[in-house]
Amino acid sequence: QLQLQESGSGLVKPSQTLSLTCAVSGGSISSGGYSWSWIRQPPGKGLEWIGYIYHSGSTYYNPSLKSRVTISVDRSKNQFSLKLSSVTAADTAVYYCARVFDGPYGDYPPAAGAFDIWGQGTMVTVSS
Amino acid sequence: QSALTQPASVSGSPGQSITISCTGTSSDVGGYNYVSWYQQHPGKAPKLMIYDVSNRPSGVSNRFSGSKSGNTASLTISGLQAEDEADYYCSSYTSSSTLAFGGGTKLTVL
Repeated sequence: QLQLQESGSGLVKPSQTLSLTCAVSGGSISSGGYSWSWIRQPPGKGLEWIGYIYHSGSTYYNPSLKSRVTISVDRSKNQFSLKLSSVTAADTAVYYCARVFDGPYGDYPPAAGAFDIWGQGTMVTVSS
Repeated sequence: QSALTQPASVSGSPGQSITISCTGTSSDVGGYNYVSWYQQHPGKAPKLMIYDVSNRPSGVSNRFSGSKSGNTASLTISGLQAEDEADYYCSSYTSSSTLAFGGGTKLTVL
């Protein structure tokens, strides 16, 4: 049973960079037909898609965050990461990592697949 | 403001059926069959309930079904149970190769 676990700093100062890692266990991050994504949820609010790293290695980001976001994969460690720069209080949220199902043949367009497995989420607070 | 529009709340009694709508445009919901639905209980991570408009992942009750007409997708829950009380979110692929979520709907089981 594949599982995802987020880790990283729970408190980040304004203007600094938020860094989170999602460890994949029970399976390989290089398994065909899947990509990987980050989603966040501010307290009491809805879900916001942050970005996506396609199984080809290409990345796709929410246009509203694109200038500040980097998602990368470390296949040797079976994990993927999120970096969000120049954070403000508006970036305070629960951050989730998720596996993306890219279809039975792995050929869905980037960002089209559903999030079929989620991490438990990690709360990140931006405050001085 | 969310790209996809959902009702803020819906309610129903045990045993009844309810439907949650998710309205977008021809650039997202109406243009592609990549609509998903997620259930989220308080303090928990979301759970995939429906993908590709109407497909149920293994293990999801057949009381949950999805459909689409034009620019509006719908999630129907039949035989409502107390455990179905949760927040529900829709999502859709967009023509910009991005993903949009709905604002979420709180389901109350009376």
